[in-house]
Amino acid sequence: GAGVSQSPSNKVTEKGKDVELRCDPISGHTALYWYRQSLGQGLEFLIYFQGNSAPDKSGLPSDRFSAERTGGSVSTLTIQRTQQEDSAVYLCASSLRRGIGEKLFFGSGTQLSVL
Amino acid sequence: EDKVVQSPLSLVVHEGDTVTLNCSYEVTNFRSLLWYKQEKKAPTFLFMLTSSGIEMKSGRLSSILDKKELFSILNITATQTGDSAIYLCAVETGGTSYGKLTFGQGTILTVHP
Repeated sequence: GAGVSQSPSNKVTEKGKDVELRCDPISGHTALYWYRQSLGQGLEFLIYFQGNSAPDKSGLPSDRFSAERTGGSVSTLTIQRTQQEDSAVYLCASSLRRGIGEKLFFGSGTQLSVL
Repeated sequence: EDKVVQSPLSLVVHEGDTVTLNCSYEVTNFRSLLWYKQEKKAPTFLFMLTSSGIEMKSGRLSSILDKKELFSILNITATQTGDSAIYLCAVETGGTSYGKLTFGQGTILTVHP
């Protein structure tokens, strides 16, 4: 596609429910990143994929968080049993390959609100 | 643990002023330092710096890196209201975390007319 697409753009959920956030990277981009941004904060690294594999999962805050990428394209970030502290903007980014930060393209994010 | 710290956290100026934003870092396997501008949600790339002492310039924006003292500055001259945004600094690392970006908290810049 023309850019990194994320859906939904906004998600309101109740505490304890599961949510799935989707990222559709730019076609041909092999590296895909998930970041989280809380209000007034910088970007917190969650996980990145090179192809379908995730060499670095160190940023996932807890075992309630998981992510997968299939076919080297679309990625899904799943948060189980959501908590209020999970409320944030979840940003996805992709690049042609890893290690070229200047060519990192971000999506517009999913604003998650946990009530 | 890799760390990137930006200062100030917020800055309010008037059009025409010059601002300097700071970014210091402590990381292993430094590869590059990047600056992004975030106006709404999606950060957009400004500069990538890999070598000390070489100024990168784009219009009214410029940036320089000091790898000895582990910091970078972003300068904006003759600020305009359209410069109002969050400015993010990130460091790209290598080794086992090759390609990973660690971001600072950001500096919120507000430019009043």
